[in-house]
Amino acid sequence: AQSVAQPEDQVNVAEGNPLTVKCTYSVSGNPYLFWYVQYPNRGLQFLLKYITGDNLVKGSYGFEAEFNKSQTSFHLKKPSALVSDSALYFCAVSVISSGSARQLTFGSGTQLTVLP
Amino acid sequence: DAGVIQSPRHEVTEMGQEVTLRCKPISGHNSLFWYRQTMMRGLELLIYFNNNVPIDDSGMPEDRFSAKMPNASFSTLKIQPSEPRDSAVYFCASSWGNYNSPLHFGNGTRLTVT
Repeated sequence: AQSVAQPEDQVNVAEGNPLTVKCTYSVSGNPYLFWYVQYPNRGLQFLLKYITGDNLVKGSYGFEAEFNKSQTSFHLKKPSALVSDSALYFCAVSVISSGSARQLTFGSGTQLTVLP
Repeated sequence: DAGVIQSPRHEVTEMGQEVTLRCKPISGHNSLFWYRQTMMRGLELLIYFNNNVPIDDSGMPEDRFSAKMPNASFSTLKIQPSEPRDSAVYFCASSWGNYNSPLHFGNGTRLTVT
């Protein structure tokens, strides 16, 4: 069975400082990893994904994530945080289950607050 | 592209009543997902359709819940009878293709059962 862990429920960072939101995963086989963001009263929005290739993936709004196979991690990063980045962030992993059905598992989410 | 459209945005109903949530996926997408989000349990997958066929309904809580996808442009999630513990935000999402395609979420239906 696959799983995703986001060890921090809450991350606070000052505006202009770098931010990191942590994610670790457990799967059998090759993982396909995603980050989504959720603003209040809205659905989740796709930020970026790792499928294969370069371990550093760049996504929307200046976010990037680094895939680390040995540590089974996929941390989300941004060099300089904005107040508008404050939101709920979800990590997710996807694998193919039997019969080619898709299994997508989300983490519990991390609330990011960027302080002005 | 209008995105995934869900209706209603808010639903307040009394325990025992039937509730129907609706979803219009993005045109051309062939996979549709229903999720439920609560503070206690986070984001839970209820059911997943591929090409209008239910593939995985193992997340449907109990027989009170049912979902249909009569065509590629419409899906419903029905709860009958509803209970207070069903109160949550229900999201519909769609995607195209395979397991590495991102999901596109609607803005959800906030259900309150009193």
